[in-house]
Amino acid sequence: LAKTTQPISMDSYEGQEVNITCSHNNIATNDYITWYQQFPSQGPRFIIQGYKTKVTNEVASLFIPADRKSSTLSLPRVSLSDTAVYYCLVVGGQNFVFGPGTRLSVLP
Amino acid sequence: GAVVSQHPSRVICKSGTSVKIECRSLDFQATTMFWYRQFPKQSLMLMATSNEGSKATYEQGVEKDKFLINHASLTLSTLTVTSAHPEDSSFYICSAYSSGWNGYTFGSGTRLTVV
Repeated sequence: LAKTTQPISMDSYEGQEVNITCSHNNIATNDYITWYQQFPSQGPRFIIQGYKTKVTNEVASLFIPADRKSSTLSLPRVSLSDTAVYYCLVVGGQNFVFGPGTRLSVLP
Repeated sequence: GAVVSQHPSRVICKSGTSVKIECRSLDFQATTMFWYRQFPKQSLMLMATSNEGSKATYEQGVEKDKFLINHASLTLSTLTVTSAHPEDSSFYICSAYSSGWNGYTFGSGTRLTVV
């Protein structure tokens, strides 16, 4: 199982761009990188998924370098409602492990 | 998109009683569902993998006789916490894999409080 490492916490201000980097050195060929967002007392919510290079959707971008040993979630112009825990998961088949996640606090 | 419905969202029970939590995949079939437990300020911990039509696979340290899992159909898995004790109080979350988008969808979670 590919282990992931993320910063435990980050602070940002409203309107700023936030980049959260995740390391996954032993990612396998068939693994995808998926990011989830979790608010207190709610289940994790899918944000974005990618395999390599760059993926963008309406809420975030995901940057994955060629060696795929890390990935960066980019949240443009965060708001107070983006305060949550963000999890980076490396998913291969049906095996994946939740790391501690990154607790993002957006300040006014 | 893939939706997983989890009920109840919140339950309070007396010590020694049993509680059943349901997890349904609403618009897709899920041969495998997963059950997690999350304590305050901690990450999700996988408890067991629920397989349709067969026995669940439990993670090390999870008592199979205490946390009964039934996956009787392709859209429903249930977790029953038997003889609940205050230390079982936690946030329980299920998830299911959808081949439609090659990813995992999570339920909204169940807050169990045992008094």
